Amino acid sequence: GQQLNQSPQSMFIQEGEDVSMNCTSSSIFNTWLWYKQDPGEGPVLLIALYKAGELTSNGRLTAQFGITRKDSFLNISASIPSDVGIYFCAGWTEYYTGANSKLTFGKGITLSVRP
Amino acid sequence: DVKVTQSSRYLVKRTGEKVFLECVQDMDHENMFWYRQDPGLGLRLIYFSYDVKMKEKGDIPEGYSVSREKKERFSLILESASTNQTSMYLCASSFRGMVLNYGYTFGSGTRLTVV
Repeated sequence: GQQLNQSPQSMFIQEGEDVSMNCTSSSIFNTWLWYKQDPGEGPVLLIALYKAGELTSNGRLTAQFGITRKDSFLNISASIPSDVGIYFCAGWTEYYTGANSKLTFGKGITLSVRP
Repeated sequence: DVKVTQSSRYLVKRTGEKVFLECVQDMDHENMFWYRQDPGLGLRLIYFSYDVKMKEKGDIPEGYSVSREKKERFSLILESASTNQTSMYLCASSFRGMVLNYGYTFGSGTRLTVV
C-alpha cells in the first residue's frame, strides 16, 4: 500500500531556529495534511493542502504541496519551546473519500527545542 | 467546539482482563477509527467503521475487536489483555464522501498499561 516517508525520526533544534521537514511518497497524493501531537495528547490538524504548488501558512508554520504531488514540506520559523511534539504528514490519494478510504500517515518526526 | 472524547486518559489493567476503550464523537461523522501508537512505529490502524454496525479490519486487528451500535460511539475491546498491548490508543473520526476533506479529528488518547 501507499507509504509516506518522514525522516529523521527525531530532530533537535535551538530555540529561535527555523526547521524544515519533508514528507515523500512514491504515489501521487491529492490532499496533504500536517498534524502536530503535543506530548500526551492526540494529533491536531495544523495545515491542509489541496493543490499542487499550494503554499499555506498558519502563524509561524508554512507548508507546501509539492509540484510532483509526491511530496510536501513543513517549515517552522523562529521555534519556541511549545513547538515540541510529533509532526505527522498525512494524505489522501482519492478526491472522493468513500467507505473504505483511509488517510495514509507518515511515522512522524519528534521535534525537541532546546531553550 | 467539536470533539472526539475518549473515556479514559490512563488505564492500568492486569494480564487476561477484558478491557473496553470508549470513544464518542459529537460531529455526526460517519467514519470512526482506532489506532495504536508506539515509539518508532507511528500510527497503526487497528479497526475502522464507516457506518453503524459496520467494521473493517485495519493493519493490526489481532487481539482486538470493536463495536459500533450508535453512530457517535465506537468501542475498542481487548478480549484478554496482554503486556504487548501496552500502548497509546487513539480514536479518530471523519466525514465520508467529502471532496475536500479535512482529515481526521482525533481524541486525546488513552495510555493503557497492561501488567
